[in-house]
Amino acid sequence: AQSVTQPDIHITVSEGASLELRCNYSYGATPYLFWYVQSPGQGLQLLLKYFSGDTLVQGIKGFEAEFKRSQSSFNLRKPSVHWSDAAEYFCAVGSPGSARQLTFGSGTQLTVLP
Amino acid sequence: EAGVAQSPRYKIIEKRQSVAFWCNPISGHATLYWYQQILGQGPKLLIQFQNNGVVDDSQLPKDRFSAERLKGVDSTLKIQPAKLEDSAVYLCASGDSSGNTIYFGEGSWLTVV
Repeated sequence: AQSVTQPDIHITVSEGASLELRCNYSYGATPYLFWYVQSPGQGLQLLLKYFSGDTLVQGIKGFEAEFKRSQSSFNLRKPSVHWSDAAEYFCAVGSPGSARQLTFGSGTQLTVLP
Repeated sequence: EAGVAQSPRYKIIEKRQSVAFWCNPISGHATLYWYQQILGQGPKLLIQFQNNGVVDDSQLPKDRFSAERLKGVDSTLKIQPAKLEDSAVYLCASGDSSGNTIYFGEGSWLTVV
């Protein structure tokens, strides 16, 4: 069975600082990996996804993530955080096929200090 | 392009009452999902439809939860009778035929008192 671990429940960074959110997955085959962001009272917005190819993927809002098969990780990064990035971030692994199912981690809450 | 629509956005009910949530997916999306997100946790899949057939409902508490997707378009999730532990956000999502992108609605927030 597939699973996702996000080790950090809560991270606080200062505005302008760099950010890295950790994600480790467990999956028997080539994983389909996603990062979503959820602002308070909102649904989930897709930031980026990885299916194959270049292991460094670019997403929206200046985010990027790197797939490392040897470490079973898919960490999310941003060089300079903005106050509007404060939200909850979810990593997910997807099953193969067109009727894809997502299994989510428990999320990391990001606080941005002025 | 219109997104995934859900209603109502907020609902407060007493335990043992019933509630229904409605979802209209993105036009043309064959796959529809209902997720339950309890505060402080990641979303958990309740049920997945492909057109109007059920693909997976293994995590749906069938003694109190039911869902249908008539005509392969919009869907309704019902809880009857509700328990305190059903307090959560119910997220509807839809996916295109490739399955490469899954779009989420804004969620229906349920509080059971």
